[in-house]
Amino acid sequence: GAVVSQHPSRVICKSGTSVKIECRSLDFQATTMFWYRQFPKKSLMLMATSNEGSKATYEQGVEKDKFLINHASLTLSTLTVTSAHPEDSSFYICSANFRHLGYNEQFFGPGTRLTVL
Amino acid sequence: GESVGLHLPTLSVQEGDNSIINCAYSNSASDYFIWYKQESGKGPQFIIDIRSNMDKRQGQRVTVLLNKTVKHLSLQIAATQPGDSAVYFCAERGDSSYKLIFGSGTRLLVRP
Repeated sequence: GAVVSQHPSRVICKSGTSVKIECRSLDFQATTMFWYRQFPKKSLMLMATSNEGSKATYEQGVEKDKFLINHASLTLSTLTVTSAHPEDSSFYICSANFRHLGYNEQFFGPGTRLTVL
Repeated sequence: GESVGLHLPTLSVQEGDNSIINCAYSNSASDYFIWYKQESGKGPQFIIDIRSNMDKRQGQRVTVLLNKTVKHLSLQIAATQPGDSAVYFCAERGDSSYKLIFGSGTRLLVRP
């Protein structure tokens, strides 16, 4: 099946710094990727839709200047958490849309655990 | 607004028994539904999906049932094993969007 990777898997940073998380589709091209965040014992909440070659579409309540998304190629999307604060600590998960035989399927990455001190 | 919810937050079953995890959805326009399994510290793993033109689909040890009349989705796991212990999420998608809306999740605990 299609494989999506994320890097890093874990990151600890100081409050006020910025952190970049990478999402890669390893064996397919994805014009659309998605970024989710998940708090402990909670469900996945969609943050934004990342479109290759154009601006990301953010969900209501998600600050676009806080969570910068870049989808510069068909296999890579990055999420940068700017000026991170402890409340940004969460599990960030990306997915990539794979189009096959007219159907769209989403494949998820393994997630990135962000801890802001 | 749109929502996808689950009836039971935690389900405990004996190893070898069958498990049934339920999900209610509210958007009648959704045409594609997926069940995911998530183990601690990992991303969601696809289990099985079903399109709105079907009411049942079977996989290996898993069956998904869709009742569009009452907007209900269920996941049945046969002969539940310890490795099935995880959190299970249902998700729905509308025809005009790639976006998935996730339910709140059910934790499945398998007793040895």
